[in-house]
Amino acid sequence: EADIYQTPRYLVIGTGKKITLECSQTMGHDKMYWYQQDPGMELHLIHYSYGVNSTEKGDLSSESTVSRIRTEHFPLTLESARPSHTSQYLCASSEGSGDYEQYFGPGTRLTVT
Amino acid sequence: QKEVEQDPGPLSVPEGAIVSLNCTYSNSAFQYFMWYRQYSRKGPELLMYTYSSGNKEDGRFTAQVDKSSKYISLFIRDSQPSDSATYLCAMSRGSSYKLIFGSGTRLLVRP
Repeated sequence: EADIYQTPRYLVIGTGKKITLECSQTMGHDKMYWYQQDPGMELHLIHYSYGVNSTEKGDLSSESTVSRIRTEHFPLTLESARPSHTSQYLCASSEGSGDYEQYFGPGTRLTVT
Repeated sequence: QKEVEQDPGPLSVPEGAIVSLNCTYSNSAFQYFMWYRQYSRKGPELLMYTYSSGNKEDGRFTAQVDKSSKYISLFIRDSQPSDSATYLCAMSRGSSYKLIFGSGTRLLVRP
């Protein structure tokens, strides 16, 4: 079944640790995105990729980095987690020229203590 | 000022009611208007999208865009408890432009 997966779903980690949030999609979509969502707030785009070896920063400044070595895989890395990174991280993908139709994963809820 | 404004709710209605969810926006360059539904602890899923002005209907859902007023609406007819979720509006300037999201309206449909 075509889908988009995120792991872990929940993560509690101490300050200063390096973490990688995984995102994979089986739909063959070229475009992938990372959003940050805080409770009651809008989704903010932090990274996007239009294909392999193509990554761009989004509108919201983020200390995270991303890579796109394979079409289906778009991991997000925080080199040194801080409490200010506590949030929900959502991965999405879209096909063709239509950014408006995005398919979202279930999200990773990150808590940095 | 946010580009997209959305009342956070919660909006509580009895089962079977007609629900009206709304967003206003400030950027007249927006051309694509989307409604996403997000259940608790899940990612958003696209319900409907509309290009430019007008209405679009899909089953119990109707999306309406009024560009002159910079106002969009989502109507849900015969609402069901399974419609209880947060509804996010989103907009973009074109098919290849980034989405700008509202903060979402939480809807609760009481049995």
